[in-house]
Amino acid sequence: AQKITQTQPGMFVQEKEAVTLDCTYDTSDQSYGLFWYKQPSSGEMIFLIYQGSYDEQNATEGRYSLNFQKARKSANLVISASQLGDSAMYFCAMREGRGYNKLIFGAGTRLAVHP
Amino acid sequence: GAVVSQHPSRVICKSGTSVKIECRSLDFQATTMFWYRQFPKQSLMLMATSNEGSKATYEQGVEKDKFLINHASLTLSTLTVTSAHPEDSSFYICSARDQLEKLFFGSGTQLSVL
Repeated sequence: AQKITQTQPGMFVQEKEAVTLDCTYDTSDQSYGLFWYKQPSSGEMIFLIYQGSYDEQNATEGRYSLNFQKARKSANLVISASQLGDSAMYFCAMREGRGYNKLIFGAGTRLAVHP
Repeated sequence: GAVVSQHPSRVICKSGTSVKIECRSLDFQATTMFWYRQFPKQSLMLMATSNEGSKATYEQGVEKDKFLINHASLTLSTLTVTSAHPEDSSFYICSARDQLEKLFFGSGTQLSVL
């Protein structure tokens, strides 16, 4: 069974608007971590935001926030005030258990920000 | 912030040759490094977990003799693609875990086998 599901192959957003990238996950572990990474065309993986399964508050990092709904097993990324430089592939990833950082990645969503 | 250096960034080789890719943690000790493979427009697939001083743990379906991993020091892990063939052409990317269990990615290596 797929562990991480990103159902949006591609998304468009107007510059300065907000956009939500969907991510659902599947795990039987009580302790896990959820990550979002940005991959521009250069190929590097840029860490954006992290949410631990026991974190009660949704994570925020600048323009990025993670809408964590534990019961629904979803961890959507919200980018506010989109910029042209946000155009990239975005990957949701999950780490199961504590202290072991093997990440399982979703299929990714390509975001295009239009002026 | 912590930096992971991956070299080379791009390599083109002839079929049948071996290619070595290096992954170095520049300012921290990494007891564990991970190697991923990414086909065009696809996600990252974990190939193996590299632990310093011990044998790598390979994911199901990854050929150990094809993809040799050596993690001889706390700052260096290498991936050698042996007897490369065109189907091995891909983007390979490493990540390293620091003492605080944060992960940092290298910038990746684009391998093209002719």
